[in-house]
Amino acid sequence: DVKVTQSSRYLVKRTGEKVFLECVQDMDHENMFWYRQDPGLGLRLIYFSYDVKMKEKGDIPEGYSVSREKKERFSLILESASTNQTSMYLCASRKTGQNYGYTFGSGTRLTVV
Amino acid sequence: ILNVEQSPQSLHVQEGDSTNFTCSFPSSNFYALHWYRWETAKSPEALFVMTLNGDEKKKGRISATLNTKEGYSYLYIKGSQPEDSATYLCAPHGGKLIFGQGTTLQVKP
Repeated sequence: DVKVTQSSRYLVKRTGEKVFLECVQDMDHENMFWYRQDPGLGLRLIYFSYDVKMKEKGDIPEGYSVSREKKERFSLILESASTNQTSMYLCASRKTGQNYGYTFGSGTRLTVV
Repeated sequence: ILNVEQSPQSLHVQEGDSTNFTCSFPSSNFYALHWYRWETAKSPEALFVMTLNGDEKKKGRISATLNTKEGYSYLYIKGSQPEDSATYLCAPHGGKLIFGQGTTLQVKP
């Protein structure tokens, strides 16, 4: 019954590596989001997408990019990973409309060494 | 960017106690207010999406109210159980969803 799937639960990468975090949803939702969660800072929005090939910057987009080539898949890319990008990354999706909540994936704990 | 405040930051109660938390947000440019429950090692789970001033929603022992004019929402848990232990996040939606830092509830058996 998994609806939003993130490809990895735990990931360890080296500084400078290019990192791809994948998110797939099977609910035909138009909207997809990437958040990171850090102690004391809560959930912060990195990027979001309202439709295929569309992307919008969130509150902390620096050092990240995204790709949405298909409706069901939203990828977060760390162009050159740095230690300050060590965090928990959460993907979410949502159907367009005022009354719909977000469905979250189980998260990817990324450690950059 | 909306400024969202949740209080208290953390709460410890005994099993059977009733409790409530507050979410405060700017009342301008309001679209909807979301509540989520986030248990350790799990994904945040949507509890309520509220859109109208005066809205009251209920799910089992959990209920929520909304005042959009003054910019606050209350979440109530009646007769807390250990399985209610989680972080409760509110998120006003005014163009995009902005999460508060949450209230972490610990219910002791």
